[in-house]
Amino acid sequence: DTGVSQNPRHKITKRGQNVTFRCDPISEHNRLYWYRQTLGQGPEFLTYFQNEAQLEKSRLLSDRFSAERPKGSFSTLEIQRTEQGDSAMYLCASSFRGGLAEQYFGPGTRLTVT
Amino acid sequence: SQQGEEDPQALSIQEGENATMNCSYKTSINNLQWYRQNSGRGLVHLILIRSNEREKHSGRLRVTLDTSKKSSSLLITASRAADTASYFCATGMLGGSYIPTFGRGTSLIVHP
Repeated sequence: DTGVSQNPRHKITKRGQNVTFRCDPISEHNRLYWYRQTLGQGPEFLTYFQNEAQLEKSRLLSDRFSAERPKGSFSTLEIQRTEQGDSAMYLCASSFRGGLAEQYFGPGTRLTVT
Repeated sequence: SQQGEEDPQALSIQEGENATMNCSYKTSINNLQWYRQNSGRGLVHLILIRSNEREKHSGRLRVTLDTSKKSSSLLITASRAADTASYFCATGMLGGSYIPTFGRGTSLIVHP
């Protein structure tokens, strides 16, 4: 399967702990996006990369969130000192060159903060 | 705030009927995309329509775009139970770096 993959699929953590999610995009895609989705809402943009460069971050992305994409391949999203409000589905998507290109989404990582 | 807003929020129909959902947006766009999301899973791209296009078809899907009214519609003909999902529109804003902005979605239930 050459689609977008995300790990882990589910993560339960206690408030205050740090968590890290991984996204492996489609190999030839140079753009990678992170979104957050809560129940009954559409995906909310968090950040995106073109190759290894992080080009834009949403104001939703607090200082506790950091994302990397070393070597322009896989990406990680880390949340430090998690809060209950961080509970959500975290989606990763990739696309080729952005612009008018469609996005291919991964299955998501569901985070529950207790 | 979200750029695109889908209407209705929920739609329940019988298999074989047509389903129509709408998307309204606020600012000028260079394209609009529709996505489907099955329960608890990632989104799947359905169709993209550019701002200079008025209508596009893909299988049982028909999308229209009216830039003067800043609205789009997605028609699913001869619906099937497998079409049960949430449907989102995503707009790419004119002059932007193209970060798709999603609405809250329409939840479609197709009863067998």
